[in-house]
Amino acid sequence: EPEVTQTPSHQVTQMGQEVILRCVPISNHLYFYWYRQILGQKVEFLVSFYNNEISEKSEIFDDQFSVERPDGSNFTLKIRSTKLEDSAMYFCASSEGEGYTFGSGTRLTVV
Amino acid sequence: GESVGLHLPTLSVQEGDNSIINCAYSNSASDYFIWYKQESGKGPQFIIDIRSNMDKRQGQRVTVLLNKTVKHLSLQIAATQPGDSAVYFCAETSSNTGNQFYFGTGTSLTVIP
Repeated sequence: EPEVTQTPSHQVTQMGQEVILRCVPISNHLYFYWYRQILGQKVEFLVSFYNNEISEKSEIFDDQFSVERPDGSNFTLKIRSTKLEDSAMYFCASSEGEGYTFGSGTRLTVV
Repeated sequence: GESVGLHLPTLSVQEGDNSIINCAYSNSASDYFIWYKQESGKGPQFIIDIRSNMDKRQGQRVTVLLNKTVKHLSLQIAATQPGDSAVYFCAETSSNTGNQFYFGTGTSLTVIP
């Protein structure tokens, strides 16, 4: 069964540093997403990406965040100048248009 | 803003019994709903979906019921197994929110052997 692959599974970074979270969506999917889940809280939408541009973003997705599809397979989330409150699980998802397939997530810990 | 919530944060059932997990939503324009299962340390896993033009949909051992009148949906799991222990989320979207899904806070299901 096709999978969404995320790397790394766990990232520890110092406050103020930049991190890049990587995702390989399912190859024939056209829509890509990033969600995050702070420990014990609900899954929250960050951004959706279609046709090489952001189609929607939430209030959480401020200038600190950016997404990129640098080649035909990878989809990245960059967080500039990380803050302690950025510590969370970050999930990538892809879809053909409706239901998503999620990756296993990257646990980001900002210290 | 959107509001998707769950009535019960935890649910314990005996192995072999049926489980019912409930979810309320507030956006009357919501037209597509998904139930996800999340096991510890893993991403949400699609279980079953339903569109607003339906009130019931069945999968393998799972049934989703949608009551648009009271903006409520439920997930029924038949003959619950230990492997069903997880957190279950409902998520909804509507045409006016694009492809963005709003998730509930989750119900933790524990199956007692």
